[in-house]
Amino acid sequence: AQSVTQLGSHVSVSEGALVLLRCNYSSSVPPYLFWYVQYPNQGLQLLLKYTTGATLVKGINGFEAEFKKSETSFHLTKPSAHMSDAAEYFCAVLHNTDKLIFGTGTRLQVFP
Amino acid sequence: DVKVTQSSRYLVKRTGEKVFLECVQDMDHENMFWYRQDPGLGLRLIYFSYDVKMKEKGDIPEGYSVSREKKERFSLILESASTNQTSMYLCASTPNRRWDRDLAGELFFGEGSRLTVL
Repeated sequence: AQSVTQLGSHVSVSEGALVLLRCNYSSSVPPYLFWYVQYPNQGLQLLLKYTTGATLVKGINGFEAEFKKSETSFHLTKPSAHMSDAAEYFCAVLHNTDKLIFGTGTRLQVFP
Repeated sequence: DVKVTQSSRYLVKRTGEKVFLECVQDMDHENMFWYRQDPGLGLRLIYFSYDVKMKEKGDIPEGYSVSREKKERFSLILESASTNQTSMYLCASTPNRRWDRDLAGELFFGEGSRLTVL
């Protein structure tokens, strides 16, 4: 069965600091991996995804993630946090062709 | 832009009531999903549908049913609401990507319906 594990339910950073949100996956087949973001009082929206090919994936708002097969990881990073990045972030893996299995989420706080 | 609309942002119901959560999408998507979101548990799939009148159980279908009479509308039904169904409910849709896996997994979400059962 496929699954993802997000390490850390809450992450706090100062504005301008590096953002690192951790996600590890388990999959018996080559995984398709996703990061979604949920801003306060909104639904989720796609931030970025990895399917095949280049292992460093760039998404919206300056975020990127690197697929590392040897570490079964797909961590999300951003070099410099903005106050507007405060949100909840979900890692997900594609099951079959259309079902997404989500992690438990990481809430990012950004302090001035 | 794709728009997924959930009929109610906030609902308060009493134990034992029948509850309908409605979701409508305007982009002719074949696939629709109902997730439940709880703190510390993330999103869990309740039911999904690949086409009109089709439905499949997700990971936590107990206590829920669904209806998909029209392609654009997917309803979640709580036959007899209980307090442990107090939660945020998220609807999502996506085109059928079975023949193009590289495009799969891109869900479009509604803003959510926060249900409180007293």
